[in-house]
Amino acid sequence: EAQVTQNPRYLITVTGKKLTVTCSQNMNHEYMSWYRQDPGLGLRQIYYSMNVEVTDKGDVPEGYKVSRKEKRNFPLILESPSPNQTSLYFCASASLQGLEGTGELFFGEGSRLTVL
Amino acid sequence: GQNIDQPTEMTATEGAIVQINCTYQTSGFNGLFWYQQHAGEAPTFLSYNVLDGLEEKGRFSSFLSRSKGYSYLLLKELQMKDSASYLCAVRDRGGSYIPTFGRGTSLIVHP
Repeated sequence: EAQVTQNPRYLITVTGKKLTVTCSQNMNHEYMSWYRQDPGLGLRQIYYSMNVEVTDKGDVPEGYKVSRKEKRNFPLILESPSPNQTSLYFCASASLQGLEGTGELFFGEGSRLTVL
Repeated sequence: GQNIDQPTEMTATEGAIVQINCTYQTSGFNGLFWYQQHAGEAPTFLSYNVLDGLEEKGRFSSFLSRSKGYSYLLLKELQMKDSASYLCAVRDRGGSYIPTFGRGTSLIVHP
């Protein structure tokens, strides 16, 4: 089954404790991206990657890091989480052909992160 | 960049028709998308418009007017399961082909 898998789905942590949210897709997609979704603010892009070893900042990259060592994986790293990073996070992927065509993104099920 | 505007919330009655509007301003237009997102779930792709006119897909239709910077999503024969957030997203000609999302419209369908 074609899917985008995120882990963990739910996490409560404390300020300053490094954490990683993993994202993996099995569709051989070149493009992967991380979004955060907050009430009243919609989906905002954090980082994206057009292919292996190529990453770029989105609209709200501060406080986050990413890496793209393999095509299927795109982890989101919070080196020192703060309460304002409490949010619902979505990973998404697309083939470049799909992105340039219909623009259809495939989303993971989301990771709800609470930073105390 | 883009400015995307859509109503925050709408309510409608089961069986009725509802139109969700989206206006946008972009430096160079290259496609408009609608996604559906049920509460606590991932967004799912509904439609794509790049040329003016109406695209129909079952009970859902999406309309685009590029000259007016305007789109709408039309939902017919509303069902309770249509209660969800509807996200309008726009892509410009910046080269990255990445859409920018609006804040979404929360649709509540009443019996």
